[in-house]
Amino acid sequence: GQQVMQIPQYQHVQEGEDFTTYCNSSTTLSNIQWYKQRPGGHPVFLIQLVKSGEVKKQKRLTFQFGEAKKNSSLHITATQTTDVGTYFCAGTRAGGTSYGKLTFGQGTILTVHP
Amino acid sequence: DADVTQTPRNRITKTGKRIMLECSQTKGHDRMYWYRQDPGLGLQLIYYSFDVKDINKGEISDGYSVSRQAQAKFSLSLESAIPNQTALYFCATSDSRWRDDTGELFFGEGSRLTVL
Repeated sequence: GQQVMQIPQYQHVQEGEDFTTYCNSSTTLSNIQWYKQRPGGHPVFLIQLVKSGEVKKQKRLTFQFGEAKKNSSLHITATQTTDVGTYFCAGTRAGGTSYGKLTFGQGTILTVHP
Repeated sequence: DADVTQTPRNRITKTGKRIMLECSQTKGHDRMYWYRQDPGLGLQLIYYSFDVKDINKGEISDGYSVSRQAQAKFSLSLESAIPNQTALYFCATSDSRWRDDTGELFFGEGSRLTVL
């Protein structure tokens, strides 16, 4: 079945440092989404990427979708304590009978030290 | 009030007991999902429903069943709970015109289940 791997599992940074999490799928994706889950909270949608090679920015966050549509990354510039949480990628397999099944990566837990 | 409401928020039960987790939504979305979250494993799809008459198994449906009572309601049942079903359970909804695109998922606050 489809697998979505995310690395690293944990990341500790000092406030102001940059942070990147990577997502790799075993199959080609039709699109990829990113979610953020604050400690004790529920996942909240950040963005969806659809096109090969797509890059989108949201303030200090930059999202990329690979040319082959099998990998993606989230980069945060100059982290702040408000960035603390778990970041998940989630992909929908292209073609087949996936019919909109969203498969999540394991998540990257980000800790920001002030 | 939350758009996606889960009840109960916390539940402790014993092995062998039947448990039902309920989810209701006011977003008017056709699609509803049940996910399970375990530390280090991300979110795993249990069941999903495109509408009241269309229910599908996800990655880890064994030991679970669901009921879509109405567009707004989607319940998850554990017929005979076991300790390794201890987890955080999330209900989610989405609205998409495309069958192979879920669209943005809107999650409930979660139901924490402990099976002793």
